[in-house]
Order: sequence, then structure tokens, then C-alpha cells
Amino acid sequence: EVQLVESGGILVQPGGSLRLSCAASGFTFSAYSMNWVRQAPGKGLEWVSYIVGRGDIIYYSDSVKGRFTISRDNAKNSLYLQMNSLRAEDTAFYYCTREPSDCTSCYPEYWGQGTLVTVSS
Amino acid sequence: QLVLTQSPSASASLGASVKLTCTLSSGHSSYAIAWHQQQPEKGPRYLMKLKSDGSHTKGDGIPDRFSGSSSGAERYLTISSLQSEDEADYYCQTWGTGIQVFGGGTKLTVL
Repeated sequence: EVQLVESGGILVQPGGSLRLSCAASGFTFSAYSMNWVRQAPGKGLEWVSYIVGRGDIIYYSDSVKGRFTISRDNAKNSLYLQMNSLRAEDTAFYYCTREPSDCTSCYPEYWGQGTLVTVSS
Repeated sequence: QLVLTQSPSASASLGASVKLTCTLSSGHSSYAIAWHQQQPEKGPRYLMKLKSDGSHTKGDGIPDRFSGSSSGAERYLTISSLQSEDEADYYCQTWGTGIQVFGGGTKLTVL
């Protein structure tokens, strides 16, 4: 069974930093592309970042480019999101997602349950 | 610009059918999309990938009551025999090189 478990969400001050983690299980992690998707409370879904299985192809949304860094450790079956220069508008649930095996940077086939990041003074 | 448009809300009666619409922006009518469901207080769940020809591939455990179809730039999600647990937000989503885009979502109320 595919499982994605996010962690690391907390209350942080504007301008601060935070690293989110996603522990993956139930599949060969290195073979799949992964994404982070976020959802502000009461709002819709917003794609944040993508990383291919090997880790050498990465994309970011314009709203986080230059501030957030996606990475993965295939030996630890883990996905990460380093978030710097945080703003109030980054407040959201952050979901780790896994793509299907037959496409590249396409859509989430599996979702985690999310971790809440709150940026506030 | 790649944009998906959804009606903010829809409603239908228990046991009836409902058809939700997602419209691709001009110039993108050949794009495939994915449908995702988000029940209250839960994380989203993948429902299906839907191509421009109407063919679709559903996620694990998605009931036969959920189906997809396409016409031009429009992509549809039809839910038949509505149940109370179908009350949820439904998001369409598509992708291009280096970008993924979500529609604004449709809140479905089951009466």
C-alpha cells in the first residue's frame, strides 16, 4: 500500500525558514517523480514543486521560485521541501504527492494527508 | 496561458447523477486532465486521468459510479447514484512542461 506521511509543519515567523519531510513507503521510491502541492485554509489547491526520481530535474511554481528548494533522499525514501523567506501567504497545508510511473511532471496519483505550515508573528 | 475553469458549486439529490465541468483555456483543448476529490477535513484523492478522446484511467478503488468524458475543451466528471460521501470538493488538474495547474474546484452538495 502506498503511504506518504508529511511532517515538519509548525508556526513560524515571517522571514523564517522551515523544512518539511515526507516519508514514503509501499513502492520503489527512486522510480517515481514526486511533488509538493499546497492548500491555504479554505482555498483551492496550488502546485508548488516537482522532482524526478533521480533528482536531476526540478521545477517550481513562480510563487516559490528562489525561496523554496525541493530535494529527495532515495536511500531514506524521503522527500523534502526547504522553505526560506517565509511569508504570510505561504500559510497552507502542504501535501506530498506521487506521480504515476508512465509520465513526467503530470499529476498526483497518490496524496499524503498534509502538514500545516502557519506563517505569523 | 494554461488555465482550468470550474463552476464554484453544484448540487444534486441523493441517488441522482451529476456532471461536473472543467474547461481548458484557449489553445489547450487537446490536454489531458486529472480529477481529484477532497472530502471535508481530508486530504485530496486521485479519481482519474481523462484524455481529450474521453478515455480515462481511474485510481485504485474508485467506484464505477465515477466516470469521465470529454468534448472539445471541456472535461467532465459524472457521478451516478449519488451517495452522501460524494459531498466533497472536486478539482481538475492539468500539466505542461515544468508546470502543473489546478482548477478552482467545485463544491458538490448532495441534497
